Amino acid sequence: EAQVTQNPRYLITVTGKKLTVTCSQNMNHEYMSWYRQDPGLGLRQIYYSMNVEVTDKGDVPEGYKVSRKEKRNFPLILESPSPNQTSLYFCASSSWTGGGTDTQYFGPGTRLTVL
Amino acid sequence: GNSVTQMEGPVTLSEEAFLTINCTYTATGYPSLFWYVQYPGEGLQLLLKATKADDKGSNKGFEATYRKETTSFHLEKGSVQVSDSAVYFCALRDSNYQLIWGAGTKLIIKP
Repeated sequence: EAQVTQNPRYLITVTGKKLTVTCSQNMNHEYMSWYRQDPGLGLRQIYYSMNVEVTDKGDVPEGYKVSRKEKRNFPLILESPSPNQTSLYFCASSSWTGGGTDTQYFGPGTRLTVL
Repeated sequence: GNSVTQMEGPVTLSEEAFLTINCTYTATGYPSLFWYVQYPGEGLQLLLKATKADDKGSNKGFEATYRKETTSFHLEKGSVQVSDSAVYFCALRDSNYQLIWGAGTKLIIKP
């Protein structure tokens, strides 16, 4: 089954304790992306990756890191989480055929609470 | 820069009512347009899309037409069901491959 998986689905942590949210896709997609969703703000892109070893900042990259060492995986790293990073996070992937017509497939989301 | 504007919610309708959720956009070039749906407690999933002017996307009884002259992509359904209750997001994808999202419209359907 084609899917994007994220782990963990729920996480409660404390300020300053490093954490990683994993994302994996089995569709051989080139493009992967991380979003955060906050009430009234819709989805905001954190980072994206066009392919292995190619990453770039989205609209709200501060406080986050990513890596793309393998095509299927795109982990999101919070080196020193703060309460303003409490949010619902989504990973997404899509193929890259050019022209922007490709559909993004989303993971189920990770609800993060930073105390 | 590129942007997407959706009507604010929540939108509350009775079952079998006609639905319209407005979406307008600002973009250079010829973006692709999308409607995504998020059911309670779930991730987003594509509802429909249109990739060029005058294209009509349709799925599950929902339709939207890419109107370049009015820069709009309004979502419509002739007869909504309780199971359509969800948050609906309009989005565009530009030639730089970035998705620009609307803020989302919560739809509540009452039996």
